[in-house]
Amino acid sequence: KNQVEQSPQSLIILEGKNCTLQCNYTVSPFSNLRWYKQDTGRGPVSLTIMTFSENTKSNGRYTATLDADTKQSSLHITASQLSDSASYICVVSARNAGNMLTFGGGTRLMVKP
Amino acid sequence: EPEVTQTPSHQVTQMGQEVILRCVPISNHLYFYWYRQILGQKVEFLVSFYNNEISEKSEIFDDQFSVERPDGSNFTLKIRSTKLEDSAMYFCASSEVGMYQPQHFGDGTRLSIL
Repeated sequence: KNQVEQSPQSLIILEGKNCTLQCNYTVSPFSNLRWYKQDTGRGPVSLTIMTFSENTKSNGRYTATLDADTKQSSLHITASQLSDSASYICVVSARNAGNMLTFGGGTRLMVKP
Repeated sequence: EPEVTQTPSHQVTQMGQEVILRCVPISNHLYFYWYRQILGQKVEFLVSFYNNEISEKSEIFDDQFSVERPDGSNFTLKIRSTKLEDSAMYFCASSEVGMYQPQHFGDGTRLSIL
């Protein structure tokens, strides 16, 4: 069964600091991996999408990495801002599943002043 | 920036009643999706819809569920006879055609079954 696990479950950092969130998946055959940001009470918003051949992708202060061999991904947030407080969700798609996405449980990030 | 809009934001329904959740996808998108998120749990895929038919569906999407695109702008999810365990946040999403296209989500409808 396809699964996506994320760590840590929650994280508190000070404004201006960097942080890295982790994602492990068992989706096979792998198609692509996405990171979404979900503010409380809102729908998820796409940050990055990476295919099998991509190792890293950036979107502003967000940088995602992918190691398809170890089935791991990370999301690095640089110079955190208060508005980065949200849940960050790792989402994986299998090649034989069309556009069906498998979601991780998310990491809840709180940025404090 | 174009948005996916969902109505209502909160729906309260008696168990056993039918409910219809409504979504207006982004206008040039051709792929439409429904997801649900039970409180405190992961987002779960329900169904994808393309070219006026279901393209993928999960085990959750049983005979109690149906989807429809009744006109050129709306996309609906119907639950025929609601159960207590249908209580969840339901998200609609849309995307352009292509496996690597981002899915754009609405802000959800919170469905509460009494």
